[in-house]
Amino acid sequence: DAMVIQNPRYQVTQFGKPVTLSCSQTLNHNVMYWYQQKSSQAPKLLFHYYDKDFNNEADTPDNFQSRRPNTSFCFLDIRSPGLGDAAMYLCATRPVRWERGIRTDTQYFGPGTRLTVL
Amino acid sequence: QQQVKQSPQSLIVQKGGISIINCAYENTAFDYFPWYQQFPGKGPALLIAIRPDVSEKKEGRFTISFNKSAKQFSLHIMDSQPGDSATYFCAASYGTGANNLFFGTGTRLTVIP
Repeated sequence: DAMVIQNPRYQVTQFGKPVTLSCSQTLNHNVMYWYQQKSSQAPKLLFHYYDKDFNNEADTPDNFQSRRPNTSFCFLDIRSPGLGDAAMYLCATRPVRWERGIRTDTQYFGPGTRLTVL
Repeated sequence: QQQVKQSPQSLIVQKGGISIINCAYENTAFDYFPWYQQFPGKGPALLIAIRPDVSEKKEGRFTISFNKSAKQFSLHIMDSQPGDSATYFCAASYGTGANNLFFGTGTRLTVIP
């Protein structure tokens, strides 16, 4: 069963036309992340939510915004997509818990949304 | 600045051979070192992970070797199979805030029959 779900899997938008990508999780994890991954590159963290606390990476463009209305859902809004924003966008979650005194650090990734900007 | 350096960029191995991917880090605060496997068009999936209190961890055909003094860790895939062909990312994190992962640059592994 899918635990981190991303919709849509493929999104085509026009240059400058706002787009929203969604992520939902059935894991009840406290932390949700958004990554951007370009071809043949490592995932690049854009921002994360620790519960309701939003944390933006210093080099994330202002063009990228996020919302987390509840524990299960998180949205990535790209206000004015440019050609350079074409990428795979990955959502990940992580629980905040300790098991036998060891912090759980595993991040669970969704399948990603492939964004094309025309 | 790349916090985790990974090599090689690409690797071709014969079926049945051993695949070895290496990573190095500088930040001694890192205390969690996972390896992720990613197939084309899919999200990364956790393969295996290690903490610095052990020098080796094995799960099936996959082994992580960890050298704390050298600040290096590596992934060994024994008896490599064509189905192992994927991109592998090493990563590291430390225990503050949201425990952000610092990824290596990735290794594209191709296992030829």
